[in-house]
Amino acid sequence: EAGVAQSPRYKIIEKRQSVAFWCNPISGHATLYWYQQILGQGPKLLIQFQNNGVVDDSQLPKDRFSAERLKGVDSTLKIQPAKLEDSAVYLCASRNLAGVDTQYFGPGTRLTVL
Amino acid sequence: QQQVKQSPQSLIVQKGGISIINCAYENTAFDYFPWYQQFPGKGPALLIAIRPDVSEKKEGRFTISFNKSAKQFSLHIMDSQPGDSATYFCAAIRGSTLGRLYFGRGTQLTVWP
Repeated sequence: EAGVAQSPRYKIIEKRQSVAFWCNPISGHATLYWYQQILGQGPKLLIQFQNNGVVDDSQLPKDRFSAERLKGVDSTLKIQPAKLEDSAVYLCASRNLAGVDTQYFGPGTRLTVL
Repeated sequence: QQQVKQSPQSLIVQKGGISIINCAYENTAFDYFPWYQQFPGKGPALLIAIRPDVSEKKEGRFTISFNKSAKQFSLHIMDSQPGDSATYFCAAIRGSTLGRLYFGRGTQLTVWP
């Protein structure tokens, strides 16, 4: 079974620029999550999708962050404009709703904002 | 606010020793408590998990102890090996939230030979 794929793996941008991250979940996983992991901290949920609908985006800074999951498969997370404090690893995870609580994480995208 | 509190922040253990990481929570609505292991450059991976109706769960060298009345749980790694060196996160889930994970801040474990 292929894992969660993310790209790019690394990104360096100047503040006020825009950036987009891509995630391809495990095939058949209906639930998709984006987490932000700041250095030295645990991951924090940004947004959660169920198929192509948003379940929870209460922690998403909507003035600069946006996410979509068209067709209920791949997802993109965008930051526009980026701030210095957005420097972090952005993790995508997916979960199968068939009674299993395990979330499978991708390798993440490390974003550095200069 | 941190919904799951984890300690210590870092831990150094000799090979063959026991590593112990502690976590505490306040929200009694949490009903699933997983531990994740993260190696540098990788995403977290599920290590072991427990539900609050069980006081202990063991898988190989890894054991979770759960104290529901104290709202605390801990991970014990027996016979720690250098390959166990990683960051460990405790987490909690409320079943009604379709699996949203609340993570602790993590413990960086170093096992030296």
